[in-house]
Amino acid sequence: DVKVTQSSRYLVKRTGEKVFLECVQDMDHENMFWYRQDPGLGLRLIYFSYDVKMKEKGDIPEGYSVSREKKERFSLILESASTNQTSMYLCASSPLLQAAATDTQYFGPGTRLTVL
Amino acid sequence: AQSVTQLDSQVPVFEEAPVELRCNYSSSVSVYLFWYVQYPNQGLQLLLKYLSGSTLVKGINGFEAEFNKSQTSFHLRKPSVHISDTAEYFCAVDANNQGGKLIFGQGTELSVKP
Repeated sequence: DVKVTQSSRYLVKRTGEKVFLECVQDMDHENMFWYRQDPGLGLRLIYFSYDVKMKEKGDIPEGYSVSREKKERFSLILESASTNQTSMYLCASSPLLQAAATDTQYFGPGTRLTVL
Repeated sequence: AQSVTQLDSQVPVFEEAPVELRCNYSSSVSVYLFWYVQYPNQGLQLLLKYLSGSTLVKGINGFEAEFNKSQTSFHLRKPSVHISDTAEYFCAVDANNQGGKLIFGQGTELSVKP
């Protein structure tokens, strides 16, 4: 079974703090993704990566950065946390296919971040 | 740009009743379509997917969905729901072969009552 783990289930931080969210997958997947989930808005893509040291902006990258130094690990960084970044953060991974560019994404359990 | 619309934000239903969760997408090219389920306090897991072939797709837990190209829809159905089906359901479409990106709908909360 594919396993995607996230470093924390719940996190409380103060405004202005630097926040690191870690995600690790064990299936040697090329693609990794960071989403935020807010009620009524579904999942919105923050950043994704299709290879080590490669990253691309998603739909809402402002206020976030990412790091992928190893294939299995994808980190989301909030440089200076703000209250409007209070949300559920979900990490996902998927294989990169030759014929079809899209296949199942496997999700971690999520990190509920509260910024006070 | 592609988009996904889930027409109902909440669907209450009694146990053993049938249910349909509606999903429409906008795209002018071939699409791949997905339904994911999120149980309380968990991440998302795949229910079913349509990549090609038969337009009627069967998934886990007795769910199925039908791809209708002319209506640009991919509605999810189950003939008889259980209390354990209470969850949030997300429809998603691929973003035109952009390296595995998906566009998600807003989600539908299915609440099954005894």
